[in-house]
Amino acid sequence: DAGVIQSPRHEVTEMGQEVTLRCKPISGHDYLFWYRQTMMRGLELLIYFNNNVPIDDSGMPEDRFSAKMPNASFSTLKIQPSEPRDSAVYFCASSSWTVGIAEAFFGQGTRLTVV
Amino acid sequence: GENVEQHPSTLSVQEGDSAVIKCTYSDSASNYFPWYKQELGKRPQLIIDIRSNVGEKKDQRIAVTLNKTAKHFSLHITETQPEDSAVYFCAALKAAGNKLTFGGGTRVLVKP
Repeated sequence: DAGVIQSPRHEVTEMGQEVTLRCKPISGHDYLFWYRQTMMRGLELLIYFNNNVPIDDSGMPEDRFSAKMPNASFSTLKIQPSEPRDSAVYFCASSSWTVGIAEAFFGQGTRLTVV
Repeated sequence: GENVEQHPSTLSVQEGDSAVIKCTYSDSASNYFPWYKQELGKRPQLIIDIRSNVGEKKDQRIAVTLNKTAKHFSLHITETQPEDSAVYFCAALKAAGNKLTFGGGTRVLVKP
């Protein structure tokens, strides 16, 4: 398996534009997480899914953020409209809870810059 | 919900010395505590973890200890090397829900 795959790796967009980040989890993993990383706030959990169903979206900062997981192999995080304060690295991670172990495997991240 | 506090936020050590990072958690139901290492510009990767039924675990130069009563756990790196320079994150997880909550991170710099 190639691991968790995110695209794009870098995204530069203008304020007000829609941004869509994509993630392909590891095959067989039933949990998918979206994290945002900034210097000020560290790694923040935005939302996570179990078996494609959103379980906890309490970390989603505003209604401008939305996430979907239409099937077990694909998820998107959308920001509409984007703002400069959304600039961050967005990580997708997947895991499978097995016998009390739940290693989260992270994708390479998408570095988003909103100008 | 769970809250994980991590200290210190930065740590500078001389090569060969030990480094210790401490974390506390708030939810007594948390039972799995992984540590992730993130090198500059890269993704976080698991380096060691510990479950609540174990008090200590070692893997070569790194070790983790867990005190469930006090709700704190620590990462110990011995004989530090320049390649240990990175940001380290602790995390806590409850079995029910599988929600991994991270600490704020510790930037470790190992000076040659």
